[in-house]
Amino acid sequence: DTGVSQDPRHKITKRGQNVTFRCDPISEHNRLYWYRQTLGQGPEFLTYFQNEAQLEKSRLLSDRFSAERPKGSFSTLEIQRTEQGDSAMYLCASSAGTGANVLTFGAGSRLTVL
Amino acid sequence: GESVGLHLPTLSVQEGDNSIINCAYSNSASDYFIWYKQESGKGPQFIIDIRSNMDKRQGQRVTVLLNKTVKHLSLQIAATQPGDSAVYFCAEARTDSWGKLQFGAGTQVVVTP
Repeated sequence: DTGVSQDPRHKITKRGQNVTFRCDPISEHNRLYWYRQTLGQGPEFLTYFQNEAQLEKSRLLSDRFSAERPKGSFSTLEIQRTEQGDSAMYLCASSAGTGANVLTFGAGSRLTVL
Repeated sequence: GESVGLHLPTLSVQEGDNSIINCAYSNSASDYFIWYKQESGKGPQFIIDIRSNMDKRQGQRVTVLLNKTVKHLSLQIAATQPGDSAVYFCAEARTDSWGKLQFGAGTQVVVTP
């Protein structure tokens, strides 16, 4: 297993376009998390999944954002009608579940909205 | 609101010296604390964690100290090496909210030869 994989690593888009990011967690991990990180700041929690169930969403996750984990394995994060304020690094992490708070992060997907 | 923060945005350390990175937290309900290291272009990498029922924990060349009285967390790196140059984040969590970490803003550590 090569850890948490994210794709694409960098996406440049024009304002108003939709973008989708994919995360492949560590295979035996049943929890998957999305965080957002802006330049010079620490990551901010967006949402997490236990298997295929989305259990919590931050108020940072506006209705333009949607995340899915249809089969409890990989996850996608879609941003509709992107805005310049969406420019950030989107980090995915996974963990082995309840009681295992050690999150393993991927390298992130950097979004630049022009 | 309650938050996690760092005292020093940048720490310059000579190779071979010890580094100390400080972090203040204000959420008294937090009972789990973690340090992550983030190198340029990479995701955060776990370094060490500590639960609130402990005040010290040691790893390989790293020690985390927790002072719950003043809500202070520190990371000590022994014999700092060039590979330690990175941004270091402290994060707090609650055991009733596994994986929902609240990160501080980060400290840039620069190791000079």
